[in-house]
Amino acid sequence: RKEVEQDPGPFNVPEGATVAFNCTYSNSASQSFFWYRQDCRKEPKLLMSVYSSGNEDGRFTAQLNRASQYISLLIRDSKLSDSATYLCVVNPPGNDYKLSFGAGTTVTVRA
Amino acid sequence: DTGVSQDPRHKITKRGQNVTFRCDPISEHNRLYWYRQTLGQGPEFLTYFQNEAQLEKSRLLSDRFSAERPKGSFSTLEIQRTEQGDSAMYLCASSPNVAKNIQYFGAGTRLSVL
Repeated sequence: RKEVEQDPGPFNVPEGATVAFNCTYSNSASQSFFWYRQDCRKEPKLLMSVYSSGNEDGRFTAQLNRASQYISLLIRDSKLSDSATYLCVVNPPGNDYKLSFGAGTTVTVRA
Repeated sequence: DTGVSQDPRHKITKRGQNVTFRCDPISEHNRLYWYRQTLGQGPEFLTYFQNEAQLEKSRLLSDRFSAERPKGSFSTLEIQRTEQGDSAMYLCASSPNVAKNIQYFGAGTRLSVL
């Protein structure tokens, strides 16, 4: 079983729509969680950290469900510029440096 | 530009040749990482340095791969006797030595082995 699994999508949504997707992680003792964004043929960039209580950054909301071992990302009022691949990232237990990435969920926002 | 920089951005080589990539991390970051990413996949961890010490190497890093960070600043990743399966994007990242492991990535070196 992969450490981090994501629905690859693609999620095709119109501008202004809300889109949400999850990822699951295999190690229940994982400590840190992140969403990174990756544009086509570019480097991953941190979108937001995910905290146990859930957190919001503008139009983006991240939730962590430790009992079911999944992380979610919700994007409200989608913009064309939100089109990207969203990578779910987990810091496995036992170290504070190695990141495990999911394969990414592709979101395409259309006009 | 004070971000992570990588050189070259693209490298085309013939099978069997050796290649070397360079990464310059953010200056105050003492942690440096190498990842490999292939199409449709997320980055996969290769190796990690804290200052000049290489503290972990993934099993993905065969004996044809070697990484160095001699002075705790820039790092190099060398691949000897390249194979077509080595074709990928090689990403470098750096982070400060704090509990929250937020890593900042460079633009990567795209390697094509013909």
